[in-house]
Amino acid sequence: GAVVSQHPSWVICKSGTSVKIECRSLDFQATTMFWYRQFPKQSLMLMATSNEGSKATYEQGVEKDKFLINHASLTLSTLTVTSAHPEDSSFYICSAKNTEAFFGQGTRLTVV
Amino acid sequence: KQEVTQIPAALSVPEGENLVLNCSFTDSAIYNLQWFRQDPGKGLTSLLLIQSSQREQTSGRLNASLDKSSGRSTLYIAASQPGDSATYLCAVIRDQGGKLIFGQGTELSVKP
Repeated sequence: GAVVSQHPSWVICKSGTSVKIECRSLDFQATTMFWYRQFPKQSLMLMATSNEGSKATYEQGVEKDKFLINHASLTLSTLTVTSAHPEDSSFYICSAKNTEAFFGQGTRLTVV
Repeated sequence: KQEVTQIPAALSVPEGENLVLNCSFTDSAIYNLQWFRQDPGKGLTSLLLIQSSQREQTSGRLNASLDKSSGRSTLYIAASQPGDSATYLCAVIRDQGGKLIFGQGTELSVKP
């Protein structure tokens, strides 16, 4: 199947700093990428849909100014958690779609 | 609003047993349904994708069925092995846009 690479796999940052997570489709072009958040023992919750060259569409309750999404090319989308706080600590997963959705390995964010 | 429910939340079986995981959804107007596997702290691996016009898909020891009219899908795992231990997630895809709505998952443990 297609490969989606997410980087970094884990990150620890201080409260108030910003963190950028990258999602790359390695062997296919993805016009649409999705960003999910997963709390321990819970399922994935969609945060936003990212289309190449246009603004992301955020799900209800997701702060667009806090979670900045950029989809500058057909193979790269980034999620920046701005002014991170401990409650932003979570597992973030991206997916890229061609004929079906393929997922990255996830990023464990810990804000201390 | 589409809701996806998975039963049971957790399941422990001895090695070699055949088992069934259940997934139900409230809105039968779906585009596709997809089953995933998630190992602890990892991303998602796609297992089977069932188009809305299909009744089932098979891959090795896995068989997934879809009954749109009743809003149900099952994942059948034959001759379970300890390596099958993971969380299994089902997700419905609403339309060609590819947005997935996930169930809460079934945590499977196969004991040697």
